[in-house]
Amino acid sequence: DVKVTQSSRYLVKRTGEKVFLECVQDMDHENMFWYRQDPGLGLRLIYFSYDVKMKEKGDIPEGYSVSREKKERFSLILESASTNQTSMYLCASSSPPLTVWVNTGELFFGEGSRLTVL
Amino acid sequence: GQQLNQSPQSMFIQEGEDVSMNCTSSSIFNTWLWYKQDPGEGPVLLIALYKAGELTSNGRLTAQFGITRKDSFLNISASIPSDVGIYFCAGPVSGGGADGLTFGKGTHLIIQP
Repeated sequence: DVKVTQSSRYLVKRTGEKVFLECVQDMDHENMFWYRQDPGLGLRLIYFSYDVKMKEKGDIPEGYSVSREKKERFSLILESASTNQTSMYLCASSSPPLTVWVNTGELFFGEGSRLTVL
Repeated sequence: GQQLNQSPQSMFIQEGEDVSMNCTSSSIFNTWLWYKQDPGEGPVLLIALYKAGELTSNGRLTAQFGITRKDSFLNISASIPSDVGIYFCAGPVSGGGADGLTFGKGTHLIIQP
């Protein structure tokens, strides 16, 4: 079974703390993503990575950074957590599509990490 | 970024009823995906559509890729309690490839016994 594992299901942090959210996938996927999910806003892309040590900004990167030192691991970092970063964070991975006319592979998601910043 | 308009935002239905939801975009997509998120879990892919006009079924689920490539529909027949959850439409971020997916805001499906 394919597996994307997020290290913490629930976290409570204080404003100003540094927060690390870890994600590991066992499918040897090249691409990894971090989304946040908020009621009424759906899923919004924070950052993604298509190779080790490579990263690209998504739609809402402000206040976040990422690290991809190994292919299987993609970390989301909140340098100084704020209350507006209280959210559900979802990690996902994918492989490049097998045919050129399909421009995305299926995304496999982890179970999510619910972060509360007080 | 690209936006997907998904409706309805929520649905309250009786068990056994059919369900229909849709997604529209101002941009052309060449792939449409439908995901379902169970409570407390991450989204899981239900159906993928790759050709305009394509109609694809997965059990009681049927999805269509609109002919204009700017919309897609998901239908669920004879709903059952385990259909409860949030349904998302998704399409590739412009540029495609490794850029990930853009998602609609979701349709909450609630089934009353």
